[in-house]
Amino acid sequence: KNQVEQSPQSLIILEGKNCTLQCNYTVSPFSNLRWYKQDTGRGPVSLTIMTFSENTKSNGRYTATLDADTKHSSLHITASQLSDSASYICVVSAHLGSGTYKYIFGTGTRLKVLA
Amino acid sequence: GAVVSQHPSRVICKSGTSVKIECRSLDFQATTMFWYRQFPKKSLMLMATSNEGSKATYEQGVEKDKFLINHASLTLSTLTVTSAHPEDSSFYICSARVPGGFNTEAFFGQGTRLTVV
Repeated sequence: KNQVEQSPQSLIILEGKNCTLQCNYTVSPFSNLRWYKQDTGRGPVSLTIMTFSENTKSNGRYTATLDADTKHSSLHITASQLSDSASYICVVSAHLGSGTYKYIFGTGTRLKVLA
Repeated sequence: GAVVSQHPSRVICKSGTSVKIECRSLDFQATTMFWYRQFPKKSLMLMATSNEGSKATYEQGVEKDKFLINHASLTLSTLTVTSAHPEDSSFYICSARVPGGFNTEAFFGQGTRLTVV
């Protein structure tokens, strides 16, 4: 069964600190993995997208890693800011064949950054 | 970067009426758009895949007669919630993928908060 699990479910950190969010998946066949940031009441905004051959990708203070062997990804946030408070969603794409793909969404990690 | 615009951002309607939500790709042509529903503190649930010029593909359990999807042009898809009931109250989000292969970026609209009273 194609699944994406994220941990922790929620996280509270102090402004300026770093944190790492985890994503484990059992999606096959794997196509790509995306991290999104979703502010409350808004649509998700893309942070990174990684294919099978990519191990790491950065976007400003966000760095995502991917280990396709262990089917694990992480999102590291450096020097957190209050505006980083949001839900972070890991999305894995599966190739179902005949040019058909499916997005499998994780349940998200709710991050709250405190001053 | 590419932008997907969703309208309205919030709508309140009476039970039994229909509501239309629009999703537009502003600077690219999207042959495929996706419609999601999101409950509080839950992840996005795919409702249907909207294909330009053809019928939408609905996920299992989603009533196609209740959630009408029209993708009449390469930049516009609409979701109509027909005969809305309070249980249809939710956050609806659309997304569109930039053409050029599956590893291209997918952009989301701002979402529509539907409240049925």
